Amino acid sequence: RKEVEQDPGPFNVPEGATVAFNCTYSNSASQSFFWYRQDCRKEPKLLMSVYSSGNEDGRFTAQLNRASQYISLLIRDSKLSDSATYLCVVNQAGTALIFGKGTTLSVSS
Amino acid sequence: DAGVTQSPTHLIKTRGQQVTLRCSPKSGHDTVSWYQQALGQGPQFIFQYYEEEERQRGNFPDRFSGHQFPNYSSELNVNALLLGDSALYLCASSLAAGVEQYFGPGTRLTVT
Repeated sequence: RKEVEQDPGPFNVPEGATVAFNCTYSNSASQSFFWYRQDCRKEPKLLMSVYSSGNEDGRFTAQLNRASQYISLLIRDSKLSDSATYLCVVNQAGTALIFGKGTTLSVSS
Repeated sequence: DAGVTQSPTHLIKTRGQQVTLRCSPKSGHDTVSWYQQALGQGPQFIFQYYEEEERQRGNFPDRFSGHQFPNYSSELNVNALLLGDSALYLCASSLAAGVEQYFGPGTRLTVT
């Protein structure tokens, strides 16, 4: 079983749609959780950290369920500029980041 | 505030050769991690350096080695290159006590 699993997509949605990405992780000792965004042939960029209480940043909402070892990202009112690959990431002890393969989102007009 | 920088941007090498990639961390950061990203995959952790020592290592062979300098910059060396080493090599910097890592633009290595 992979340490971090994501639905690879692609998710093709129209502008204005709401889209949700899911991720599961296998190591219950994981301590920190993140979503990174990666544009084609560019470096991953930190989108948001994920906390057990859930957190929101504008149109983006992230949730963590430690009991189910499940992380989600919700994007509301999708924009063309949201088209990218979204990487689910966990961290166990402040050292190595463990990445999922990423979920590709394509937003069309 | 300078972000993470890497050099070179692109590199083409032949099987069996050796390569050195370089990274300068974000200002104020003292920890450097290296990742390999093959096409269509998420980045995979190679190793992390802190205080000029390798602090953690991923599942990569000894052909992959590194170094950190007193100014916190770092090098990744790969010996005896294989075709499968073709990938985007990413450097990430962080504070030792922090968990958030910030990535450089990467070096795209092609092995022919």
